[in-house]
Amino acid sequence: EAGVVQSPRYKIIEKKQPVAFWCNPISGHNTLYWYLQNLGQGPELLIRYENEEAVDDSQLPKDRFSAERLKGVDSTLKIQPAELGDSAVYLCASSLVLAEGGNNEQFFGPGTRLTVL
Amino acid sequence: AQSVTQLDSHVSVSEGTPVLLRCNYSSSYSPSLFWYVQHPNKGLQLLLKYTSAATLVKGINGFEAEFKKSETSFHLTKPSAHMSDAAEYFCVVSDQGSSNTGKLIFGQGTTLQVKP
Repeated sequence: EAGVVQSPRYKIIEKKQPVAFWCNPISGHNTLYWYLQNLGQGPELLIRYENEEAVDDSQLPKDRFSAERLKGVDSTLKIQPAELGDSAVYLCASSLVLAEGGNNEQFFGPGTRLTVL
Repeated sequence: AQSVTQLDSHVSVSEGTPVLLRCNYSSSYSPSLFWYVQHPNKGLQLLLKYTSAATLVKGINGFEAEFKKSETSFHLTKPSAHMSDAAEYFCVVSDQGSSNTGKLIFGQGTTLQVKP
């Protein structure tokens, strides 16, 4: 079974440029997450989707970040314009959440390492 | 609010000696607790999880963790370290039964170094 796929794996851009990351979750997983991982820290949730609905985007900086999950499968995360402080690893994860309070095992992709110059 | 504290940012052991990575949690609800491992340039991999069943949880690669409610701890152990265990380890909490199902809170991570 294929895991969570992310692309690109690495991206280098200049500040003020736009950038987009793509994620393909594990087949059949209804819930998708985007996390931000700064160097030397644990991942922090940016946004969570249940199918195509964003159910928790409270940590997403909406002035420059946007995300979508059309058709409830693949997802893209965009930054426009990028700032120097956005340099980090962007992780995508997916899970199959069957019921409120159910076991929540998330499967992570390898991440996209963004460097903003 | 739920949180986790990993008590050591860096742990160094010799190959073949025991590993102890410490984690304390804070949760308003009955928590689910996890340990994830992250090798360089690789995705996070689940080592083990506690979801209100047995308090001693066995995971992959010989790791195990014990849930101690009285101490709000979930320390990760392994009897004998291997060179391949060198990686970053994250203790994670997720609240079962809260409206935030699906939200994982990660600790800051512990870097495990294994010396030959």
